[in-house]
Amino acid sequence: GIQVEQSPPDLILQEGANSTLRCNFSDSVNNLQWFHQNPWGQLINLFYIPSGTKQNGRLSATTVATERYSLLYISSSQTTDSGVYFCALRYSGGGADGLTFGKGTHLIIQP
Amino acid sequence: ETGVTQSPTHLIKTRGQQVTLRCSSQSGHNTVSWYQQALGQGPQFIFQYYREEENGRGNFPPRFSGLQFPNYSSELNVNALELDDSALYLCASSAGLSYNEQFFGPGTRLTVL
Repeated sequence: GIQVEQSPPDLILQEGANSTLRCNFSDSVNNLQWFHQNPWGQLINLFYIPSGTKQNGRLSATTVATERYSLLYISSSQTTDSGVYFCALRYSGGGADGLTFGKGTHLIIQP
Repeated sequence: ETGVTQSPTHLIKTRGQQVTLRCSSQSGHNTVSWYQQALGQGPQFIFQYYREEENGRGNFPPRFSGLQFPNYSSELNVNALELDDSALYLCASSAGLSYNEQFFGPGTRLTVL
């Protein structure tokens, strides 16, 4: 099946810092989503971005499908940004029809 | 617009028992997918239901089964519970198949003793 690799696995930053999270994948995709999982387990949709660039406030994301990677940018980090960030995608060639998740990036923003 | 809801929020069972988890899809969504998330891991795809039929399945044994109802709500049933089934079970809904954006419910945390 399709492989998903997220980096870095852990990231500790001070409030106000900027960060870049990366998601590499092994094959063509027709769905790529970024999620933020809060401490209670809820997966919050950040971006649906199988290709291109999107921005939402302090967050932005870029997916370069031809080079098989996606980046999530967080600017001016706040303590509420802490949590686990997941990249999840679906192989466009068919097969089991769910999302394949990476192992996540655990982000800690210190005040 | 109502989001994805799941019940119950927490559940404790003993090994060998059976459990049923429930999910109501977001308004306008006809596809429900179920995922299992073990502690410290990313969610893993169990199966998907589209128009009341199983549409795809991940690497889970047959004792994991499901249903989708005409109102697009869904159930996940797990028979013969094992200790390793302890996890957060997440339900997601989408308008159509998995290439469309999926929206997740808050999850059911299952503990098997």
